[in-house]
Amino acid sequence: KQEVTQIPAALSVPEGENLVLNCSFTDSAIYNLQWFRQDPGKGLTSLLLIQSSQREQTSGRLNASLDKSSGRSTLYIAASQPGDSATYLCATMDSSYKLIFGSGTRLLVRP
Amino acid sequence: DGGITQSPKYLFRKEGQNVTLSCEQNLNHDAMYWYRQDPGQGLRLIYYSQIVNDFQKGDIAEGYSVSREKKESFPLTVTSAQKNPTAFYLCASRQAGGKTDTQYFGPGTRLTVL
Repeated sequence: KQEVTQIPAALSVPEGENLVLNCSFTDSAIYNLQWFRQDPGKGLTSLLLIQSSQREQTSGRLNASLDKSSGRSTLYIAASQPGDSATYLCATMDSSYKLIFGSGTRLLVRP
Repeated sequence: DGGITQSPKYLFRKEGQNVTLSCEQNLNHDAMYWYRQDPGQGLRLIYYSQIVNDFQKGDIAEGYSVSREKKESFPLTVTSAQKNPTAFYLCASRQAGGKTDTQYFGPGTRLTVL
């Protein structure tokens, strides 16, 4: 059974820092891997989706990588801003299109 | 304005009562999903439906029921058999065969059992 783990659980950084969020998964037979953002009390917004055949995806200041062989993904946020403060969730999708989520990293970017 | 709507935003229920959470989408998506989120945790799949009039249990279906009579609607009933129903409930939809295969999420319903 797939297990998704995210480290760290919480992170506090000063504005302007580059940072890396980590995600690991136990079963490499994934269809894709996705990173979501969740603001307090809100739904999820998809940030980046990496297909199983891809190594990375980029959107603006965000870059996500995928290494299936080691069961790892990272989300890199460049030049962090207070507006980036949120919880970031990693999820793998299996061949039946079901998502398995990690417990998230709660990010605080201090002005 | 396309998207997924969930109502109500906040719901309070007395122990022993059934309650139904609404989820509606106008994205013309085939698949719909219900998740539960507990504080500080990720989402866990309750039920999902790939097509109208069909649905499957997820990882934590006990104490919940669903129906999918219309493509745009996927209501979730939290029954009195659910032992710890206080949680944040999220509905999502996905276009089968779409290019990205991502799921789009509604704003959520926070259920509190008094």
